[in-house]
Amino acid sequence: AQKITQTQPGMFVQEKEAVTLDCTYDTSDPSYGLFWYKQPSSGEMIFLIYQGSYDQQNATEGRYSLNFQKARKSANLVISASQLGDSAMYFCAMREGPNTGNQFYFGTGTSLTVIP
Amino acid sequence: DVKVTQSSRYLVKRTGEKVFLECVQDMDHENMFWYRQDPGLGLRLIYFSYDVKMKEKGDIPEGYSVSREKKERFSLILESASTNQTSMYLCASSLDGAALLSYEQYFGPGTRLTVT
Repeated sequence: AQKITQTQPGMFVQEKEAVTLDCTYDTSDPSYGLFWYKQPSSGEMIFLIYQGSYDQQNATEGRYSLNFQKARKSANLVISASQLGDSAMYFCAMREGPNTGNQFYFGTGTSLTVIP
Repeated sequence: DVKVTQSSRYLVKRTGEKVFLECVQDMDHENMFWYRQDPGLGLRLIYFSYDVKMKEKGDIPEGYSVSREKKERFSLILESASTNQTSMYLCASSLDGAALLSYEQYFGPGTRLTVT
């Protein structure tokens, strides 16, 4: 079974609008971390936001927030007030542990295009 | 500032050649990873290393080997390059998950390898 599932290969959003990128995960470990990365066309991977399985509140970083629904095993990324520079690939990732290894599991990514 | 560097941004090799991809990190991270990235498939783990001279196979190790003789350096080796190994290769490093689950991976700029 896939550890991380991103079901939206491509998304479009109007500039200044909000957009939600979906991510579901699969783990039986009670302790895990969820990450979102952005990859612009230049290729570098940029860390955006982190959510721990025991965190009581949804993580926020500037215009990025993570809609964490533990019972549904979903960790959707919300980008508010989209900008042209937000056009990129977005990857959701998970790390189990700390005693189950150091591997990170990545989804297949969502390509976001911001329309002026 | 954490830095992960890769020896080449672009590489063109012939079928059957032995190929070395080098990765160096300067943050004393225990863990280092090699991924390949292909459109629609996301990041797939080839190998990772959690300590000097230690390595673990990832999801797609066939046709690859790795070497970690020093903590800061992790090499990916294609013993006999084939055309189906044409891809983007990303190196990453991270602290041990037992130390801090929330610690993200830091990525290098990637090497785009073409095998002809």
